[in-house]
Amino acid sequence: SQQGEEDPQALSIQEGENATMNCSYKTSINNLQWYRQNSGRGLVHLILIRSNEREKHSGRLRVTLDTSKKSSSLLITASRAADTASYFCATAGRETSGSRLTFGEGTQLTVNP
Amino acid sequence: GAVVSQHPSWVICKSGTSVKIECRSLDFQATTMFWYRQFPKQSLMLMATSNEGSKATYEQGVEKDKFLINHASLTLSTLTVTSAHPEDSSFYICSAGNGVGGEKLFFGSGTQLSVL
Repeated sequence: SQQGEEDPQALSIQEGENATMNCSYKTSINNLQWYRQNSGRGLVHLILIRSNEREKHSGRLRVTLDTSKKSSSLLITASRAADTASYFCATAGRETSGSRLTFGEGTQLTVNP
Repeated sequence: GAVVSQHPSWVICKSGTSVKIECRSLDFQATTMFWYRQFPKQSLMLMATSNEGSKATYEQGVEKDKFLINHASLTLSTLTVTSAHPEDSSFYICSAGNGVGGEKLFFGSGTQLSVL
């Protein structure tokens, strides 16, 4: 079942601005991951945050996790036109094998030059 | 990083024919691979989990006789869409974990199937 819900569904910003995407889930998780997908392509792993972590950084990416609210956010700072893509959160549940992920609905990010 | 190669990138076929899609892990062994289907502007829908040397595990509502999965080696899984119909037209993506903690997944580039 699809448990991840993301908002906004679509986000359009200007280059240089920050972009924030949110993800909510329903069940207990081992970890939550964020992926990026360019149109018509496969997904690329961006960052993984474990259930016992609250915040993680990778370059211009910042991910937070609030297990009490079952939610996560992805912040992209100083956005670039090349950041234009769809972004998906995915959860690895405690009840399932480590690699079986449930994906959210995704956020389509458009960064205007 | 680990690389997953998926072929073909796109295929057009006539209704009633079968189409095979290959997913290879190029620099690591993948005991488990996953097959997804994605419609335009939608999320990935897990179709099945492919296990090396054993039968695939299909998600509810996915016809196992329609979507044949073979995972004969640690580096290759194939998805065959049998007797394809226009409603099977979709973007199909495979992924594999590198077995280290079974955490993040590496994705193929996807296959756009169009059935005429």
